[in-house]
Amino acid sequence: TQLLEQSPQFLSIQEGENLTVYCNSSSVFSSLQWYRQEPGEGPVLLVTVVTGGEVKKLKRLTFQFGDARKDSSLHITAAQPGDTGLYLCAGEGYSGGGADGLTFGKGTHLIIQP
Amino acid sequence: DTAVSQTPKYLVTQMGNDKSIKCEQNLGHDTMYWYKQDSKKFLKIMFSYNNKELIINETVPNRFSPKSPDKAHLNLHINSLELGDSAVYFCASSQRGLLYEQYFGPGTRLTVT
Repeated sequence: TQLLEQSPQFLSIQEGENLTVYCNSSSVFSSLQWYRQEPGEGPVLLVTVVTGGEVKKLKRLTFQFGDARKDSSLHITAAQPGDTGLYLCAGEGYSGGGADGLTFGKGTHLIIQP
Repeated sequence: DTAVSQTPKYLVTQMGNDKSIKCEQNLGHDTMYWYKQDSKKFLKIMFSYNNKELIINETVPNRFSPKSPDKAHLNLHINSLELGDSAVYFCASSQRGLLYEQYFGPGTRLTVT
């Protein structure tokens, strides 16, 4: 079974600060995705990284895929209250039990205080 | 236009009942999924369904059964509901071969009393 460990689980910071969320595994993933989920809604895809060492930017968000494709990070610069939400990393591959889909990390609850 | 829709949004029922949750996607995707999100927000896949091929997570009780009348719909039927079934259930869809990028519905919060 492939597992994804996310850290930190909870993070509360002031507006304007920078932060990094980590997603680690002992398994190699073909691709890794980051989702953001707001209360009462489904996860929304932010980005997919495929190549080892790949870096993608989405405005103030920077995503990196580890060289060995076992880990990823999400860095937010100058966080804003609108960034508040649950951030989930997910890897492509078998999630155990044979089901074909994504393996999700347990998420990082991010709160940006004004 | 809603890409992936689910009904109902909330479902409250008693133990032992049978219930269904409906899901529809208008993205033209060929694969649909059901995920369960527990109280700690952990998302776990239950089923994937592609071209009449159903792949089941072996940890899912057989009280849960997905039914797909056509490529755009994947409904979830649950028999003999138990307290532990209380969770938020998400339907999702993707196009196989496109990095498994998934589009999620808004979720159905199931509460079993």
